[in-house]
Amino acid sequence: DGGITQSPKYLFRKEGQNVTLSCEQNLNHDAMYWYRQDPGQGLRLIYYSQIVNDFQKGDIAEGYSVSREKKESFPLTVTSAQKNPTAFYLCASADSAVHPSTDTQYFGPGTRLTVL
Amino acid sequence: AQSVSQHNHHVILSEAASLELGCNYSYGGTVNLFWYVQYPGQHLQLLLKYFSGDPLVKGIKGFEAEFIKSKFSFNLRKPSVQWSDTAEYFCAVNSPYSSASKIIFGSGTRLSIRP
Repeated sequence: DGGITQSPKYLFRKEGQNVTLSCEQNLNHDAMYWYRQDPGQGLRLIYYSQIVNDFQKGDIAEGYSVSREKKESFPLTVTSAQKNPTAFYLCASADSAVHPSTDTQYFGPGTRLTVL
Repeated sequence: AQSVSQHNHHVILSEAASLELGCNYSYGGTVNLFWYVQYPGQHLQLLLKYFSGDPLVKGIKGFEAEFIKSKFSFNLRKPSVQWSDTAEYFCAVNSPYSSASKIIFGSGTRLSIRP
């Protein structure tokens, strides 16, 4: 069954703690993305990666970090520097090998992070 | 900078009514346009996309969208909605000249269909 998995579905953390959200894809896609979804604000891009061992900041990268050591994995760490971390986080991937701008992005089920 | 506006935050319709969800974008050059849908409890998925050719694009489940360049719009339409169309709909845009498929999303429109 091909697709994108994110774990866990719900995550609770205390303020000041770093937390890592998992994203795995078995679609053999080159590009992967992390978005944050807040009510009334749509999706905002945090980080993206077009290829292994390379990633770029999106529009709201402050307080987040990522790594791309394997093609199928793109974990996101929400650090204590993120001022408002409680949100719904979505991971996506796209083939992007030939025409990156027109490629469909495929989304995971999301992780809802609540910082207490 | 690119931006996308979806002015209707919540639309409520009865079954069989016609639907039009507005989407306006801000960008001076050539664009690619997308509509994504998020059904309750499901993954966000692509509904349709436009990047060249016929400005009237047909997508899944009877949806279509028309790109009107002069109005910077890409409104989503469906002639007769069903209860199963209840979902959140996101319009999105990117540039064909971007180095990656970075997409700018609108804030979304929640569609509720009364049975």
